[in-house]
Amino acid sequence: SYELTQPPSVSVSLGQTASITCSGDNLGDKYVYWYQQRPGQSPVLVIYQDTLRPSGIPERFSGSNSGNTATLTISGTQAMDEADYYCQAWDRSTGVFGTGTKVTVL
Amino acid sequence: QVQLVQSGAEVRKPGASVKVSCKASGYSFSGYYIHWVRQAPGQGLEWMGLINPNSGGTNYAQMSQGRVTLTRDTSTSTVYMDLSRLRFDDTAVYYCARGIQASGGWWFDYWGQGTLVTVSS
Repeated sequence: SYELTQPPSVSVSLGQTASITCSGDNLGDKYVYWYQQRPGQSPVLVIYQDTLRPSGIPERFSGSNSGNTATLTISGTQAMDEADYYCQAWDRSTGVFGTGTKVTVL
Repeated sequence: QVQLVQSGAEVRKPGASVKVSCKASGYSFSGYYIHWVRQAPGQGLEWMGLINPNSGGTNYAQMSQGRVTLTRDTSTSTVYMDLSRLRFDDTAVYYCARGIQASGGWWFDYWGQGTLVTVSS
């Protein structure tokens, strides 16, 4: 079965840039979606179709996808961005989530 | 506004079944697929399957095959997730989510609040 691998944790200083990677075989051939989940809350879509931001998501969130790796970048990280982040893609009509990354803002 | 409101927490014994509901409002129910995603305590997200509210057609993840049944009631704009032969490792928060279809898959733009299902003897 298809797998998406993320680093378990990323630490970033307030106002700096955080990058979260998501790796999978030929991931660049698929669309990648990113979800933010704060403790005790439902996930929220922050990036869809690799690079697009839904309405209401701050411009500091951006995405890219090429080769075997997709990346979610948070520029000028705010304290409110501290959360778990999951990438997600589709493989043969099956939804696959990444292993998740906990972002800590120092 | 779009809302997905799920039923309340459930406790079941191993081997029993549980049915979780997801009531949609604020949009055309038949126009969007509903997906189910679960999250075990302290763990990541796991896609379970989807239902087309218009036709009732379903597609299940391999892990769900044979134990998960998704149904819908168009008269009440409600989708149901039935999980049978419960095991301890089915203890999780179960989410419904509205899917937006794109090339090769969907993204989830609205989520329910989640329903905790606890399997305990």
